[in-house]
Amino acid sequence: NAGVTQTPKFQVLKTGQSMTLQCAQDMNHNSMYWYRQDPGMGLRLIYYSASEGTTDKGEVPNGYNVSRLNKREFSLRLESAAPSQTSVYFCASRKRGNTEAFFGQGTRLTVV
Amino acid sequence: GQQLNQSPQSMFIQEGEDVSMNCTSSSIFNTWLWYKQDPGEGPVLLIALYKAGELTSNGRLTAQFGTTRKDSFLNISASIPSDVGIYFCAGLRDDKIIFGKGTRLHILP
Repeated sequence: NAGVTQTPKFQVLKTGQSMTLQCAQDMNHNSMYWYRQDPGMGLRLIYYSASEGTTDKGEVPNGYNVSRLNKREFSLRLESAAPSQTSVYFCASRKRGNTEAFFGQGTRLTVV
Repeated sequence: GQQLNQSPQSMFIQEGEDVSMNCTSSSIFNTWLWYKQDPGEGPVLLIALYKAGELTSNGRLTAQFGTTRKDSFLNISASIPSDVGIYFCAGLRDDKIIFGKGTRLHILP
């Protein structure tokens, strides 16, 4: 029973490099989310997807793109990484009609 | 920017003490949520609140949905060492879940 799986768990990038953070859920949930967590800032919503084929901006979308590849997978892409994007990134999913969102274990990204 | 203001930012308490924290919003939410995050883990849902004025308990935890729908409170009674962590309030609206900045709870030996 995997729940929400994020890969990779750790990543170091150089400024300007690109990468994609992967997220997959096996709970048949409709909604998926990407958050970033910085010290003292809590969790800030980057993008979310209410269903397959739809994506919407959250509170801090600049510098990121997302793809809802299918119902299971929701990826987050950094096209040109910046040091300000150093953070812990969490993916979450939620079944429509339920309030509980289930989180992955996070991806710790450092941009140097 | 974030719409939820959570206080206090951190708390240092003795084991056995009760804890109170609160969350206020500039806008109305239809559902209030309280999450806990342990080190190195993602947040886990503790309590969900659906109606203004609602008071809900989960073991030693009690949460209330404010009557204005713009605030919520979480109380922890008789704290124990495993209560250490970060507590987040969150509001759900239009499929978006918005989090507060969190209250970090420390328990002194």
